[in-house]
Amino acid sequence: DAKTTQPPSMDCAEGRAANLPCNHSTISGNEYVYWYRQIHSQGPQYIIHGLKNNETNEMASLIITEDRKSSTLILPHATLRDTAVYYCIVRVNNQGGKLIFGQGTELSVKP
Amino acid sequence: DAGVTQSPTHLIKTRGQQVTLRCSPKSGHDTVSWYQQALGQGPQFIFQYYEEEERQRGNFPDRFSGHQFPNYSSELNVNALLLGDSALYLCASSLEPGAGYGYTFGSGTRLTVV
Repeated sequence: DAKTTQPPSMDCAEGRAANLPCNHSTISGNEYVYWYRQIHSQGPQYIIHGLKNNETNEMASLIITEDRKSSTLILPHATLRDTAVYYCIVRVNNQGGKLIFGQGTELSVKP
Repeated sequence: DAGVTQSPTHLIKTRGQQVTLRCSPKSGHDTVSWYQQALGQGPQFIFQYYEEEERQRGNFPDRFSGHQFPNYSSELNVNALLLGDSALYLCASSLEPGAGYGYTFGSGTRLTVV
């Protein structure tokens, strides 16, 4: 079973920041938080991951709370092409093949 | 640089038949994982192949089997198809069993069992 809880859906206006929350209250000290997204009719795409520090790359920022029980993925300037299902996954790094996907959050970016 | 290639893109089979799906990993990757995604659900891990051996397996029956070839490509075989096997089958490649960020997914094979 997935170790994360995400809202099933969210809307965001184009050009605004999209903030996607994820709860992972049972996360262990050696587990990372990963975010993937799946655009319709495509396979999942890696976005970002982190352990306890906030992370930023060219796609997004990841904010992890100090107690690590929740995190937020931030798309700073959402575009229509960011409409997708976003998955938050927790797992030990270098654990092997298994990514456990939950239901994810369906983000709709609207003009 | 080609990413992960899966074939065929769509397939219709009859209940009880057998099916083989194919995956070519991203250049430089040597590990292949297979996932099943039912409509409206997240992908579910089937198994992973590395060095031509099954290294890890999810909660799927023995009807699901696989193979990895010396060129790192892989096949997923499903025997005695059930209606419930209808799904999108995704292949993901990585360098060694690897970190969670290193996976590149293909666009999948849509299998319909009638």
